[in-house]
Amino acid sequence: DTGVSQDPRHKITKRGQNVTFRCDPISEHNRLYWYRQTLGQGPEFLTYFQNEAQLEKSRLLSDRFSAERPKGSFSTLEIQRTEQGDSAMYLCASKGRTGGTEAFFGQGTRLTVV
Amino acid sequence: EDQVTQSPEALRLQEGESSSLNCSYTVSGLRGLFWYRQDPGKGPEFLFTLYSAGEEKEKERLKATLTKKESFLHITAPKPEDSATYLCAVQVNQAGTALIFGKGTTLSVSS
Repeated sequence: DTGVSQDPRHKITKRGQNVTFRCDPISEHNRLYWYRQTLGQGPEFLTYFQNEAQLEKSRLLSDRFSAERPKGSFSTLEIQRTEQGDSAMYLCASKGRTGGTEAFFGQGTRLTVV
Repeated sequence: EDQVTQSPEALRLQEGESSSLNCSYTVSGLRGLFWYRQDPGKGPEFLFTLYSAGEEKEKERLKATLTKKESFLHITAPKPEDSATYLCAVQVNQAGTALIFGKGTTLSVSS
């Protein structure tokens, strides 16, 4: 168990460019979440997958955001036409199929849009 | 609207000076309350889950308690390495499986 892994750790992009982040959950976990965190705030929920199905999406998730989880393994979060307001830490978390209800977070991807 | 409020926003302690962090919540139906620790530039690290009023959990110098309206994270004889932001989150019955977080309390412990 190597924990939740996110790549890249940091991304600087120009406004208007597309970016894609990857999350590899804990191997036996079937539930995967994306959150966004800005400075001085707690994480805010974006979207949730159970296996490969995207079951929940927050109103925060605009049309420029899309997430996938092919084959129920890793997940990607893509932001199209980035805006300065997209600058934040993007966190991925996973939960197991059974047992505790706690979610385990990755180290996050820090996005800076210039 | 489901809401989580943490206080204080920031807390400075001397090493060995015990204190408590507060997390008050207003939710339609609590499924669970979670405490996480977050170091700068890193993801939240899970500490505790509490499910029902009266429940308590302990880990080293930390103890979490839960009532029907709030949770406390008690820190006994803190050390500088306890310095971090402590996040409280709730899972609500009618809000799917996502967590609703408070803004956190940033704890600084000086030697």
